[in-house]
Amino acid sequence: GNSVTQMEGPVTLSEEAFLTINCTYTATGYPSLFWYVQYPGEGLQLLLKATKADDKGSNKGFEATYRKETTSFHLEKGSVQVSDSAVYFCALKVTNAGKSTFGDGTTLTVKP
Amino acid sequence: GAVVSQHPSWVICKSGTSVKIECRSLDFQATTMFWYRQFPKQSLMLMATSNEGSKATYEQGVEKDKFLINHASLTLSTLTVTSAHPEDSSFYICSAREGTYEQYFGPGTRLTVT
Repeated sequence: GNSVTQMEGPVTLSEEAFLTINCTYTATGYPSLFWYVQYPGEGLQLLLKATKADDKGSNKGFEATYRKETTSFHLEKGSVQVSDSAVYFCALKVTNAGKSTFGDGTTLTVKP
Repeated sequence: GAVVSQHPSWVICKSGTSVKIECRSLDFQATTMFWYRQFPKQSLMLMATSNEGSKATYEQGVEKDKFLINHASLTLSTLTVTSAHPEDSSFYICSAREGTYEQYFGPGTRLTVT
């Protein structure tokens, strides 16, 4: 079956530090990969996505590259801000009509 | 961008009562809606998938008689928690999709059963 494994949190960083949140996946077929962000008390928002191998998704300074050879989609940001504090979810979807499979989420706290 | 709303955003109910949560797609036709439950350790559990006009497809382990899902129109789905108990207290999130396009999430509903 399909699965997503995320780096366990919580992750605590100082402002302007470099962020990496690891995500690896197992899937049948060729999935699309997603990162979602959930701010406190809110639902999930799509942060970025990549639909095929070697694609790089990017948004708000975050980026992730679809690595088929390592089945990974690690999230990175060069300089985090306090406002980036949230829970980040990695997810995959095998077909356009399919349901998404989510990782367990990683809580990021950025301190000033 | 596409917007999905949920109502109420939070609700407190007494044990044994039922509570209904609405999920609406505001600017697109949601042919498919998903209902998730989020546990305190953050993991998102898919409860059911519903297609407009059809019966919902429940995930294994989810009681369909307890969590009633109705998707009667292309812009509205409802989740009714029947005979709620404290263990049903959770954060419920819906998401909606038009055709095979992007899946958009609602802001969630916090349910507390006392």
